[in-house]
Amino acid sequence: KAGVTQTPRYLIKTRGQQVTLSCSPISGHRSVSWYQQTPGQGLQFLFEYFSETQRNKGNFPGRFSGRQFSNSRSEMNVSTLELGDSALYLCASSLAAGLSYEQYFGPGTRLTVT
Amino acid sequence: DQQVKQNSPSLSVQEGRISILNCDYTNSMFDYFLWYKKYPAEGPTFLISISSIKDKNEDGRFTVFLNKSAKHLSLHIVPSQPGDSAVYFCAASGRAGGTSYGKLTFGQGTILTVHP
Repeated sequence: KAGVTQTPRYLIKTRGQQVTLSCSPISGHRSVSWYQQTPGQGLQFLFEYFSETQRNKGNFPGRFSGRQFSNSRSEMNVSTLELGDSALYLCASSLAAGLSYEQYFGPGTRLTVT
Repeated sequence: DQQVKQNSPSLSVQEGRISILNCDYTNSMFDYFLWYKKYPAEGPTFLISISSIKDKNEDGRFTVFLNKSAKHLSLHIVPSQPGDSAVYFCAASGRAGGTSYGKLTFGQGTILTVHP
């Protein structure tokens, strides 16, 4: 089975712009979660989508949003970028069924805001 | 408020010996725990998980122990290999309080170095 894929892998944006990141989960996985990793804050949960519905949201401002499509692919959007949004953005997918709640991560998108 | 803590920023071990990585949590609502291995600029790789209904889970060289009363878990790697050198994160989740297992709370990570 193919793993979680994320596009693009690297992105450079200017302060004030917006950005959209894409994630394709492992086939059959219905849950997609997004995380931000920074040197200062570590790995922090952004939000989770399951069957096209946001099921959970972390403590991030409303500039961070996401959505999930019927094929479970997900996108996250960050509007009005700030320098502090520079980070590695990770997407993870999970079967989210029975007792299987392991999350499998993609390679991440490295976002640099200048 | 850090709900998942890995108090050792780094650990150095000789090849062939046991590596023990520790993790403490404060939220008693957590009931599912996972360990991940991560290289710089890559996504975390899932290693092993444990539900709170168990106190031990094994998978090859990796064993996770859970002590619910102490709110403590540990990952044992036996024998350690140089290829195990990476950052190790523990993570926790739970359904209580309206959350779901889709939300992982991570520790700050421990850098493991295995010397040949």
